[in-house]
Amino acid sequence: QKEVEQDPGPLSVPEGAIVSLNCTYSNSAFQYFMWYRQYSRKGPELLMYTYSSGNKEDGRFTAQVDKSSKYISLFIRDSQPSDSATYLCAITTGNQGGKLIFGQGTELSVKP
Amino acid sequence: DVKVTQSSRYLVKRTGEKVFLECVQDMDHENMFWYRQDPGLGLRLIYFSYDVKMKEKGDIPEGYSVSREKKERFSLILESASTNQTSMYLCASQDLAKNIQYFGAGTRLSVL
Repeated sequence: QKEVEQDPGPLSVPEGAIVSLNCTYSNSAFQYFMWYRQYSRKGPELLMYTYSSGNKEDGRFTAQVDKSSKYISLFIRDSQPSDSATYLCAITTGNQGGKLIFGQGTELSVKP
Repeated sequence: DVKVTQSSRYLVKRTGEKVFLECVQDMDHENMFWYRQDPGLGLRLIYFSYDVKMKEKGDIPEGYSVSREKKERFSLILESASTNQTSMYLCASQDLAKNIQYFGAGTRLSVL
């Protein structure tokens, strides 16, 4: 079983839709949760960061961590064509020498 | 803002050539990483370094070596490039307090 599972998509939605992106993980010791956005042919950029559990909101983006279910989510409200990218989840226990475990990435396309 | 700079965006090399990929960060981070990214395989860790002259193998180190002579600079070396090393190469440096990795723009390497 992979440590992190993420549906690779592709996911296609109309402009204005609410998007839900998800990852599941297997190790209950994971404490640090990140979402990265990667545009085509560019490097990943940090979008959201959460330590431990709970929700975090930043503009149209909300990151949610459910440690009891070992499930993390990224919600995008009022999605825009500029949100079209690949979204990667990344997690770590904080005791792995700095290494992050990345999901495979979900490719999102927002159609005008 | 953290800046991670990769020396080349695109490189074309011939089989058997020695290839150097350079990465520089401006945040005095101890940890630096090299990944390759291929469709369907996600991000795979090649090598990482947690201090000057220190290095650790990642998941796929074969055919690669690294050099960290100065804290800000981490180099990936392909001793004898092969066609199966055609890929997108990503460098990252890490804020250890939060475990966040910051990525460069990537180098797309083609080995012919």
